[in-house]
Amino acid sequence: GENVEQHPSTLSVQEGDSAVIKCTYSDSASNYFPWYKQELGKRPQLIIDIRSNVGEKKDQRIAVTLNKTAKHFSLHITETQPEDSAVYFCAATLYDKVIFGPGTSLSVIP
Amino acid sequence: DSGVTQTPKHLITATGQRVTLRCSPRSGDLSVYWYQQSLDQGLQFLIQYYNGEERAKGNILERFSAQQFPDLHSELNLSSLELGDSALYFCASSRGQGGGDTQYFGPGTRLTVL
Repeated sequence: GENVEQHPSTLSVQEGDSAVIKCTYSDSASNYFPWYKQELGKRPQLIIDIRSNVGEKKDQRIAVTLNKTAKHFSLHITETQPEDSAVYFCAATLYDKVIFGPGTSLSVIP
Repeated sequence: DSGVTQTPKHLITATGQRVTLRCSPRSGDLSVYWYQQSLDQGLQFLIQYYNGEERAKGNILERFSAQQFPDLHSELNLSSLELGDSALYFCASSRGQGGGDTQYFGPGTRLTVL
């Protein structure tokens, strides 16, 4: 089955700096890669996603890149703000199953 | 607000008991997914239903069961509860059968087993 690894597990950045979270997946048949943000005690919320026929997608300060050959994808957050502090989960979808990575706890220091 | 509702918000019960968690998907969504999130843990996929039928199964214990009703709401039944079952239980819904569908999460039910 699919396995998703995510690094780093914790990340601290200064406000205004960029943050990068990387994920790798094991099954080359995976074709949909969403990213979720979860604030403390709240529900995971989709922030951006990418499909396997696209290499990069951007939405304001957030971008995701996908390297199908290497089977890894990354989340990039630019000009970080304190409200970006949360746990971020990547996921890979293989057929009907969505497998989540273990999460990255991002802290943005004012 | 994602449009997915879950009840109750909080549930406190004792070991050995049985509880039922309820989820109503977004209007028009046919799939419901259940996840367990223990303290400082990631999201563990339990089970998915699509239009009333079981579609995919994850790491769901035999003590747990679920169903999706004709009105598309779903219930997750947890029995013979153990201390380790204490967790946040999320349901999510999506339009289609899964795969590349975006999942929208409900607010979760926090279960505490004493």
